[in-house]
This record gives sequence, structure tokens and C-alpha cells, in this order.
Amino acid sequence: DQQVKQNSPSLSVQEGRISILNCDYTNSMFDYFLWYKKYPAEGPTFLISISSIKDKNEDGRFTVFLNKSAKHLSLHIVPSQPGDSAVYFCAASVTASGTYKYIFGTGTRLKVLA
Amino acid sequence: GAGVSQSPSNKVTEKGKDVELRCDPISGHTALYWYRQSLGQGLEFLIYFQGNSAPDKSGLPSDRFSAERTGGSVSTLTIQRTQQEDSAVYLCASSLGQGETQYFGPGTRLLVL
Repeated sequence: DQQVKQNSPSLSVQEGRISILNCDYTNSMFDYFLWYKKYPAEGPTFLISISSIKDKNEDGRFTVFLNKSAKHLSLHIVPSQPGDSAVYFCAASVTASGTYKYIFGTGTRLKVLA
Repeated sequence: GAGVSQSPSNKVTEKGKDVELRCDPISGHTALYWYRQSLGQGLEFLIYFQGNSAPDKSGLPSDRFSAERTGGSVSTLTIQRTQQEDSAVYLCASSLGQGETQYFGPGTRLLVL
């Protein structure tokens, strides 16, 4: 059972336009959400996060939106740059019995076309 | 370096052999995580350490998988009697403490023939 879903395996966007990456989740107990970016042959790197008590967090060109009622979050990149081309993973964390567990989606490959 | 390091970067082994994967976390990070990413799949949580203890081992796929951490630093993930379905990239991450941002290593690419 995939608790965190990224239904678009890939996305192509023209340089300068907005990239919107989507993520859906099923567990209402998730209390923290994160986006990671991964280049080939490297480990994922943290990009931006949002607490479940917020609905928006912005950091430069990156904004994450959280819609708790729809159990949906999205990452907006504006303007998109060729260097943003990577695989983006959505992750959610839940605290259970005092331990933290992070559950990742399957990733969306973003290609920004010059 | 200052980041999480993993060794080996690539490992090819024959079915039935044991393999040991190593993770060196960022100095001072008390939490350490192991994940794996199979082809076309997301990151699958395997096990988590807080200090030297592993409060959550529920993600280990089978009893062929084990992990330990000594001295609150280096961790090893051991896979016994490897199977072809164990082929994946095994990623290690560390964080300052529970729930803090995780920093990932480059991963070990394991191929079981």
C-alpha cells in the first residue's frame, strides 16, 4: 500500500516557466512533509519542507503548498531552470511510538528544456 | 568530507553470497537511516538508528537483512544469502536528531547475479 504517491513519473517544462510537481498521501497522521531532489548517481538532497499546521512555505524559487483536506501537496518551481532537471521525491513523516518514520513517493523526473 | 559517505559505491555479487554495506554519517548526527531504491520504485525505509539502538526494524524485508551501529557512528547493513530481488541502490542518511532534516549519502548500487 503506497501511502505517498507521485502519480506523474515525468514532467517536461520550458525554461522560465512554472514547474508543478504533485504528491498525494493517504495517512492523515503525517505531520511533516518534505521534498528532496536527486541527481543521477547522487543521494537525495533536501529541498524544502512544510509542517502539517501550515498550508504554504516559500524558499526562493521553491514553494510548497499543502492541502490537508485533499491530502495533497505540490511543489512549485518558478522560474524553472535547466539545472532543476532531476528526480523530485515527496516524503512524509509520521511519529509512531516515539520514533520517526519517513515514507517516500516514487519520484517525478523533471526535465527543464532550454 | 563533511557529508555522509557510503562504501562500496558499487557491488556485484553472486546469488547466495553475503554482502556488507557501510555508512559513515555526518559527525555528530545521532540518527541514522537505511533506505533502498529498487528500479522504478520509491525510497523504501529499512531501518533507523537513534544512537546505537534501532527502535524500528519493521522495514527490514526479511531475516536475511540485519544492521548494526557501533560507537554512535558507523553503521553496516548486512544481507545474507543474497537474492536477485535484493538488487537495488541502498541509501544511508543521517540527521542531527530524530525528526531533523536527513542528509543522504551517494548510495551503494548492489547487483546480485
